[in-house]
Amino acid sequence: EVQLLESGGGLVQSGGSLRLSCAASGFTLGIYAMSWVRQAPGKGLEWVSDISTSGSSTYYADSVKGRFTISRDNSKNTLYLLMNSLRAEDTAVYYCAKDARAYCSSIRCYKGSDYWGQGTLVTVSS
Amino acid sequence: QSVLTQPPSVSGTPGQRVTISCTGNSSNIGADYDVHWYQQLPGTAPKLLIFGNTNRPPGVPARFSASKSGTSASLAITGLQAEDEADYYCQSYDSSLSGSRVFGAGTKVTVL
Repeated sequence: EVQLLESGGGLVQSGGSLRLSCAASGFTLGIYAMSWVRQAPGKGLEWVSDISTSGSSTYYADSVKGRFTISRDNSKNTLYLLMNSLRAEDTAVYYCAKDARAYCSSIRCYKGSDYWGQGTLVTVSS
Repeated sequence: QSVLTQPPSVSGTPGQRVTISCTGNSSNIGADYDVHWYQQLPGTAPKLLIFGNTNRPPGVPARFSASKSGTSASLAITGLQAEDEADYYCQSYDSSLSGSRVFGAGTKVTVL
Protein backbone atom coordinates (compact mmCIF):
# COMPACT_ATOMS: atom_id res chain seq x y z
CA GLU A 1 0.00 0.00 0.00
CA VAL A 2 1.36 3.38 -1.02
CA GLN A 3 1.76 5.72 1.94
CA LEU A 4 3.16 9.22 2.31
CA LEU A 5 3.65 10.56 5.80
CA GLU A 6 4.62 14.18 6.32
CA SER A 7 6.23 15.49 9.47
CA GLY A 8 8.10 18.52 10.72
CA GLY A 9 5.34 21.08 10.76
CA GLY A 10 4.68 23.34 13.69
CA LEU A 11 4.67 26.89 14.96
CA VAL A 12 7.58 29.11 13.98
CA GLN A 13 8.24 32.82 14.18
CA SER A 14 8.44 34.98 11.10
CA GLY A 15 11.94 34.76 9.66
CA GLY A 16 12.49 31.32 11.08
CA SER A 17 13.11 27.97 9.42
CA LEU A 18 11.54 24.53 9.31
CA ARG A 19 12.35 21.32 7.50
CA LEU A 20 9.47 19.14 6.42
CA SER A 21 9.93 15.45 5.73
CA CYS A 22 7.77 13.05 3.75
CA ALA A 23 8.37 9.37 4.40
CA ALA A 24 7.35 7.20 1.47
CA SER A 25 6.46 3.53 1.59
CA GLY A 26 4.79 0.94 -0.59
CA PHE A 27 6.51 2.03 -3.80
CA THR A 28 9.96 2.74 -5.21
CA LEU A 29 10.46 6.42 -4.49
CA GLY A 30 13.41 6.76 -6.84
CA ILE A 31 11.41 6.27 -10.04
CA TYR A 32 8.84 8.97 -9.36
CA ALA A 33 9.07 12.73 -9.38
CA MET A 34 7.56 14.24 -6.26
CA SER A 35 6.06 17.55 -5.30
CA TRP A 36 4.97 19.72 -2.40
CA VAL A 37 1.61 21.46 -2.48
CA ARG A 38 0.26 23.74 0.22
CA GLN A 39 -3.15 24.96 1.28
CA ALA A 40 -3.58 28.04 3.41
CA PRO A 41 -6.48 27.91 5.90
CA GLY A 42 -9.75 28.15 4.01
CA LYS A 43 -7.96 28.63 0.69
CA GLY A 44 -7.23 26.59 -2.41
CA LEU A 45 -4.32 24.42 -3.41
CA GLU A 46 -1.02 26.06 -4.32
CA TRP A 47 1.79 24.16 -6.01
CA VAL A 48 5.04 24.87 -4.14
CA SER A 49 7.81 22.78 -5.66
CA ASP A 50 8.68 19.59 -7.45
CA ILE A 51 11.77 17.48 -7.93
CA SER A 52 12.90 14.98 -10.54
CA THR A 53 13.51 11.33 -9.79
CA SER A 54 17.23 11.78 -9.14
CA GLY A 55 16.92 15.18 -7.54
CA SER A 56 18.98 16.84 -10.24
CA SER A 57 16.11 19.08 -11.37
CA THR A 58 14.03 21.19 -9.04
CA TYR A 59 11.30 23.74 -9.64
CA TYR A 60 9.70 26.33 -7.39
CA ALA A 61 6.73 28.64 -7.31
CA ASP A 62 7.76 32.28 -7.47
CA SER A 63 6.30 32.80 -4.00
CA VAL A 64 8.92 30.52 -2.42
CA LYS A 65 11.85 30.72 -4.82
CA GLY A 66 15.09 31.52 -3.05
CA ARG A 67 13.63 30.64 0.37
CA PHE A 68 12.56 27.00 0.05
CA THR A 69 14.69 24.03 -1.04
CA ILE A 70 13.28 20.69 -2.10
CA SER A 71 15.44 17.59 -1.89
CA ARG A 72 15.17 13.86 -1.66
CA ASP A 73 17.06 10.87 -0.33
CA ASN A 74 15.91 7.88 -2.33
CA SER A 75 17.98 5.53 -0.19
CA LYS A 76 15.95 6.67 2.84
CA ASN A 77 12.66 6.85 0.91
CA THR A 78 12.23 10.41 2.05
CA LEU A 79 11.36 13.75 0.46
CA TYR A 80 12.26 17.03 2.16
CA LEU A 81 11.32 20.68 2.06
CA LEU A 82 13.63 23.12 3.80
CA MET A 83 11.84 26.39 4.43
CA ASN A 84 13.84 29.48 5.35
CA SER A 85 12.86 33.10 5.92
CA LEU A 86 9.33 32.05 6.69
CA ARG A 87 6.55 34.59 6.40
CA ALA A 88 3.02 34.74 7.75
CA GLU A 89 1.71 34.00 4.27
CA ASP A 90 3.52 30.65 4.31
CA THR A 91 1.06 29.44 6.94
CA ALA A 92 -0.62 26.39 5.42
CA VAL A 93 -1.03 22.67 5.41
CA TYR A 94 1.80 21.24 3.36
CA TYR A 95 1.18 18.07 1.38
CA CYS A 96 3.70 15.88 -0.37
CA ALA A 97 2.43 14.19 -3.48
CA LYS A 98 3.65 11.43 -5.77
CA ASP A 99 3.59 11.73 -9.54
CA ALA A 100 1.29 9.18 -11.13
CA ARG A 101 3.69 8.23 -13.89
CA ALA A 102 7.06 6.63 -13.29
CA TYR A 103 10.23 7.72 -15.05
CA CYS A 104 8.64 11.02 -16.04
CA SER A 105 11.29 13.64 -16.72
CA SER A 106 9.26 16.38 -18.34
CA ILE A 107 5.97 18.14 -17.81
CA ARG A 108 4.68 16.64 -21.04
CA CYS A 109 4.55 13.18 -19.44
CA TYR A 110 3.16 14.36 -16.09
CA LYS A 111 -0.17 12.66 -15.46
CA GLY A 112 -1.17 14.22 -12.20
CA SER A 113 -0.32 13.28 -8.61
CA ASP A 114 -2.01 10.07 -7.58
CA TYR A 115 -1.04 9.77 -3.91
CA TRP A 116 -0.96 12.48 -1.29
CA GLY A 117 0.08 12.54 2.32
CA GLN A 118 -2.27 13.67 5.06
CA GLY A 119 -0.50 17.01 5.32
CA THR A 120 1.45 18.80 8.02
CA LEU A 121 0.46 22.21 9.34
CA VAL A 122 2.98 25.04 9.31
CA THR A 123 2.02 28.14 11.26
CA VAL A 124 4.17 31.24 10.98
CA SER A 125 3.54 33.84 13.64
CA SER A 126 4.27 37.46 12.99
CA GLN B 1 -5.05 34.91 -8.41
CA SER B 2 -4.63 31.75 -10.46
CA VAL B 3 -3.97 31.67 -14.18
CA LEU B 4 -6.64 28.95 -14.37
CA THR B 5 -10.12 30.33 -13.73
CA GLN B 6 -12.82 28.23 -12.11
CA PRO B 7 -16.26 29.26 -10.88
CA PRO B 8 -16.23 29.59 -7.07
CA SER B 9 -19.27 27.38 -6.68
CA VAL B 10 -21.79 25.24 -8.48
CA SER B 11 -24.77 23.41 -7.06
CA GLY B 12 -27.29 20.81 -8.07
CA THR B 13 -29.85 18.40 -6.77
CA PRO B 14 -29.23 14.67 -6.52
CA GLY B 15 -29.29 13.06 -9.95
CA GLN B 16 -28.56 16.26 -11.82
CA ARG B 17 -25.60 16.92 -14.09
CA VAL B 18 -23.25 19.69 -13.12
CA THR B 19 -20.20 21.01 -14.92
CA ILE B 20 -17.15 22.90 -13.73
CA SER B 21 -15.14 24.98 -16.16
CA CYS B 22 -11.42 25.66 -16.05
CA THR B 23 -10.38 28.49 -18.32
CA GLY B 24 -6.76 29.18 -19.16
CA ASN B 25 -4.83 30.80 -21.98
CA SER B 26 -2.21 30.17 -24.63
CA SER B 27 0.52 29.64 -22.00
CA ASN B 28 -1.18 26.75 -20.28
CA ILE B 29 -4.20 24.79 -21.48
CA GLY B 30 -4.02 26.40 -24.92
CA ALA B 31 -0.40 25.30 -25.25
CA ASP B 32 -1.63 21.72 -25.17
CA TYR B 33 -0.52 20.98 -21.63
CA ASP B 34 -2.60 18.30 -19.96
CA VAL B 35 -5.32 19.17 -17.47
CA HIS B 36 -5.85 17.10 -14.34
CA TRP B 37 -8.70 17.30 -11.86
CA TYR B 38 -8.72 16.68 -8.12
CA GLN B 39 -11.51 16.20 -5.61
CA GLN B 40 -10.98 17.34 -2.04
CA LEU B 41 -13.54 16.21 0.50
CA PRO B 42 -13.77 18.31 3.67
CA GLY B 43 -10.79 17.81 5.95
CA THR B 44 -8.99 15.41 3.66
CA ALA B 45 -6.13 15.43 1.18
CA PRO B 46 -6.86 15.93 -2.51
CA LYS B 47 -7.63 12.89 -4.63
CA LEU B 48 -6.76 12.55 -8.31
CA LEU B 49 -10.06 12.38 -10.16
CA ILE B 50 -9.08 12.82 -13.81
CA PHE B 51 -5.62 12.73 -15.39
CA GLY B 52 -4.43 13.59 -18.87
CA ASN B 53 -7.54 15.63 -19.72
CA THR B 54 -10.06 12.77 -19.91
CA ASN B 55 -8.82 9.69 -18.05
CA ARG B 56 -10.23 8.28 -14.83
CA PRO B 57 -7.88 6.45 -12.44
CA PRO B 58 -9.06 3.03 -11.24
CA GLY B 59 -11.85 3.33 -8.72
CA VAL B 60 -13.19 6.69 -9.85
CA PRO B 61 -16.87 6.34 -10.74
CA ALA B 62 -17.88 6.73 -14.36
CA ARG B 63 -20.21 9.59 -13.46
CA PHE B 64 -17.11 11.78 -13.45
CA SER B 65 -15.95 12.80 -16.92
CA ALA B 66 -13.86 15.58 -18.36
CA SER B 67 -12.99 17.24 -21.62
CA LYS B 68 -10.62 19.82 -23.01
CA SER B 69 -10.88 22.17 -25.95
CA GLY B 70 -8.76 25.13 -26.91
CA THR B 71 -7.88 27.11 -23.81
CA SER B 72 -10.49 25.51 -21.56
CA ALA B 73 -11.34 22.28 -19.86
CA SER B 74 -14.38 21.07 -18.00
CA LEU B 75 -15.35 18.46 -15.47
CA ALA B 76 -18.82 16.95 -15.50
CA ILE B 77 -20.57 15.06 -12.75
CA THR B 78 -23.53 13.11 -14.08
CA GLY B 79 -26.05 11.77 -11.59
CA LEU B 80 -24.89 13.98 -8.75
CA GLN B 81 -24.74 12.27 -5.38
CA ALA B 82 -24.56 13.66 -1.85
CA GLU B 83 -21.06 12.25 -1.45
CA ASP B 84 -19.87 14.40 -4.36
CA GLU B 85 -20.13 17.52 -2.23
CA ALA B 86 -16.51 18.68 -2.19
CA ASP B 87 -14.01 21.13 -3.63
CA TYR B 88 -12.73 20.44 -7.13
CA TYR B 89 -9.48 21.77 -8.59
CA CYS B 90 -8.10 21.75 -12.09
CA GLN B 91 -4.35 21.64 -12.62
CA SER B 92 -2.15 22.24 -15.61
CA TYR B 93 1.25 23.69 -16.47
CA ASP B 94 2.00 27.28 -17.36
CA SER B 95 5.01 28.00 -19.57
CA SER B 96 5.07 31.68 -18.67
CA LEU B 97 5.85 30.79 -15.06
CA SER B 98 9.11 28.92 -14.52
CA GLY B 99 8.36 25.32 -13.62
CA SER B 100 4.81 25.96 -12.60
CA ARG B 101 2.29 23.20 -12.11
CA VAL B 102 -0.59 25.58 -11.56
CA PHE B 103 -3.92 24.92 -9.88
CA GLY B 104 -7.22 26.62 -10.42
CA ALA B 105 -8.69 28.39 -7.41
CA GLY B 106 -11.16 25.59 -6.86
CA THR B 107 -14.90 25.10 -7.17
CA LYS B 108 -17.16 24.15 -4.30
CA VAL B 109 -19.85 21.71 -5.38
CA THR B 110 -22.93 21.77 -3.19
CA VAL B 111 -25.59 19.08 -3.37
CA LEU B 112 -28.90 20.69 -2.55
